Amino acid sequence: DAKTTQPDSMESTEGETVHLPCSHATISGNEYIYWYRQVPLQGPEYVTHGLQQNTTNSMAFLAIASDRKSSTLILTHVSLRDAAVYHCILRVVATGGNNKLTFGQGTVLSVIP
Amino acid sequence: EAGVTQSPRYAVLQEGQAVSFWCDPISGHDTLYWYQQPRDQGPQLLVYFRDEAVIDNSQLPSDRFSAVRPKGTNSTLKIQSAKQGDTATYLCASSRLGGCAETLYFGSGTRLTVL
Repeated sequence: DAKTTQPDSMESTEGETVHLPCSHATISGNEYIYWYRQVPLQGPEYVTHGLQQNTTNSMAFLAIASDRKSSTLILTHVSLRDAAVYHCILRVVATGGNNKLTFGQGTVLSVIP
Repeated sequence: EAGVTQSPRYAVLQEGQAVSFWCDPISGHDTLYWYQQPRDQGPQLLVYFRDEAVIDNSQLPSDRFSAVRPKGTNSTLKIQSAKQGDTATYLCASSRLGGCAETLYFGSGTRLTVL
């Protein structure tokens, strides 16, 4: 799996919108961009994923650059519950393939009341 | 729908002792993963199964670690002779082949301390 680069940490205030960047300059055409988050004492939680188009769900908006070499996870109206480590992961999803999910260090998001 | 269930929640043992971790995946999920997460690091894949078959165990220390999923449902991860370096949280996850993005759903993990 190609490597991703994320800032070690970011900080936001409750109610604000936060943009979490991820760089993946060597992404392959068949690699999806996944975001998971993890809070202490819990396993990682799926946030969203995308291939080429921007995507949105109840948790976040994922903006993918047109050349796919970077992406940004956008969280609106952050609350204290959004404080977590956010992982940006590239993953091939293919029938019968090795579809493993490989985590890096991620970005520690702190939320100030 | 019940999530991924792991037991025990915590384990503390001396070096050289054996320990087993148990995982019950989400019903209908054919793929099961075991990850090791040392403190302050991201999860690292140890092994994963599709049904009862091992798909990737390249990161499993085979001299002391073993994992089975005999009927393609529950799974057990065993450490034969634990070392202090095995201190970590062991996470189990499951997914469904062909499901929405093959999303992995994780359990809360077993926190292992080896003294």
